[in-house]
Amino acid sequence: DTAVSQTPKYLVTQMGNDKSIKCEQNLGHDTMYWYKQDSKKFLKIMFSYNNKELIINETVPNRFSPKSPDKAHLNLHINSLELGDSAVYFCASSRSHLQGQPQHFGDGTRLSIL
Amino acid sequence: GQQLNQSPQSMFIQEGEDVSMNCTSSSIFNTWLWYKQEPGEGPVLLIALYKAGELTSNGRLTAQFGITRKDSFLNISASIPSDVGIYFCAGDTTGTASKLTFGTGTRLQVTL
Repeated sequence: DTAVSQTPKYLVTQMGNDKSIKCEQNLGHDTMYWYKQDSKKFLKIMFSYNNKELIINETVPNRFSPKSPDKAHLNLHINSLELGDSAVYFCASSRSHLQGQPQHFGDGTRLSIL
Repeated sequence: GQQLNQSPQSMFIQEGEDVSMNCTSSSIFNTWLWYKQEPGEGPVLLIALYKAGELTSNGRLTAQFGITRKDSFLNISASIPSDVGIYFCAGDTTGTASKLTFGTGTRLQVTL
């Protein structure tokens, strides 16, 4: 029944590794997003996809590569993990990519880099 | 990148008290949204505001879209323990594609 679900919930790994986070939404929405929340709880958008197409890329390092196999899924792959990548990553979705659409968030993936 | 300033940063109140918090920006937004985040969970939408001057309620919550389009306010009446959490404002871009800019958050603690 979960509207926006992310896996894994927790991810602990070493610096330099490559990891992926998966997101799925069952709301029938066209648009999905990735956000990063830092240790001070500041939330910042990273990417948005509309119907599998990239709409927003907020100057995120190339080590981060989103992939949307279909409009219900948006995965995030991170190469060569760095200490500064430690954060909570949230997936969200909205009905469309148009301004003003409320976004629904998942419960986050807590990434810790050792 | 741009950041919205929320105040106060944190509040400690007693159950039954009313709460007011606000959010200010140097830029205008077409939409203001208020979210609540509880520990271990993602933000949950509380109220969405679409028009300058608009006042909208959701139960004990009331929010207003500032006339200048650069600010928004959230009030919670008769607070209860489950109101505990971090409250975020978010402004949506004036462009076509949605791009939320979040505030710094107001952390609310309610004591019995």
